[in-house]
Amino acid sequence: AQSVTQLGSHVSVSEGALVLLRCNYSSSVPPYLFWYVQYPNQGLQLLLKYTTGATLVKGINGFEAEFKKSETSFHLTKPSAHMSDAAEYFCAVSDRSSGTYKYIFGTGTRLKVLA
Amino acid sequence: EAQVTQNPRYLITVTGKKLTVTCSQNMNHEYMSWYRQDPGLGLRQIYYSMNVEVTDKGDVPEGYKVSRKEKRNFPLILESPSPNQTSLYFCASSPLTGLARNKETQYFGPGTRLLVL
Repeated sequence: AQSVTQLGSHVSVSEGALVLLRCNYSSSVPPYLFWYVQYPNQGLQLLLKYTTGATLVKGINGFEAEFKKSETSFHLTKPSAHMSDAAEYFCAVSDRSSGTYKYIFGTGTRLKVLA
Repeated sequence: EAQVTQNPRYLITVTGKKLTVTCSQNMNHEYMSWYRQDPGLGLRQIYYSMNVEVTDKGDVPEGYKVSRKEKRNFPLILESPSPNQTSLYFCASSPLTGLARNKETQYFGPGTRLLVL
C-alpha cells in the first residue's frame, strides 16, 4: 500500500526566509504527487502536482517542488516566505495499485510565518 | 462559478440518528470523493466514485454509505452515527478526462463539521 510521510507537523520561518516542507512517499508504481494548501476554515486548494515529465514542478504563489525518485521525496519549497503563506500544507499521492483510484494524504504541516 | 457545495456546513446530532451530507459539483467532473479530517491524522479517504453508479471504498469506509445516481451529486450517508464519526468532512471532485493540466486536480468543498453526541 502506498503511504505519505510529512516530517514536522509544525514549521516556523521568518518572513523572507526559505520555506522547506518535507514529503516522502512509498509507492509500488510511478506515483502522481500533489501538494495542497488549507487556509483556516477553508477547504483544500491545489498548489502543484507531478504526474509525468519535468521533475521540478512550479505551482501557485511562488511554490515549487521537485520529484526525486531515488529519494522517494517531493519536498515543497518557496524562496521567500510571506505572511500570507501561513496555512496547513498537505502532501498527497495517487494510489493506482490493484485497480484502485485512491488518494493518500499526509498528516499535514502547519506553517507559521514570523514577522 | 465553478464550485463544490456541501450541506449542511455544521451539524450536531445524536448517536444512531441517520443523517445525509449532500455534495454537488457543477464542473461535470467524473471523479468525486469524500474525506474526513481529524487532528494529527490529516485527510483520510472514505469513499470515491469514478462515474455514475461506480463507487469504491477508500481507507476508512466503515460506518458510511454513498451513492452516485447523478454525475453532479455524491451524498454521504451515516446510517447510525457514532461519536467516533465526529469530524470535519470534505467532498472533492476532479476531472478524469480532458486537458492534462486539469486531470486529477481535486476541487474541494468548504467542509461539513459534524458532532455526534
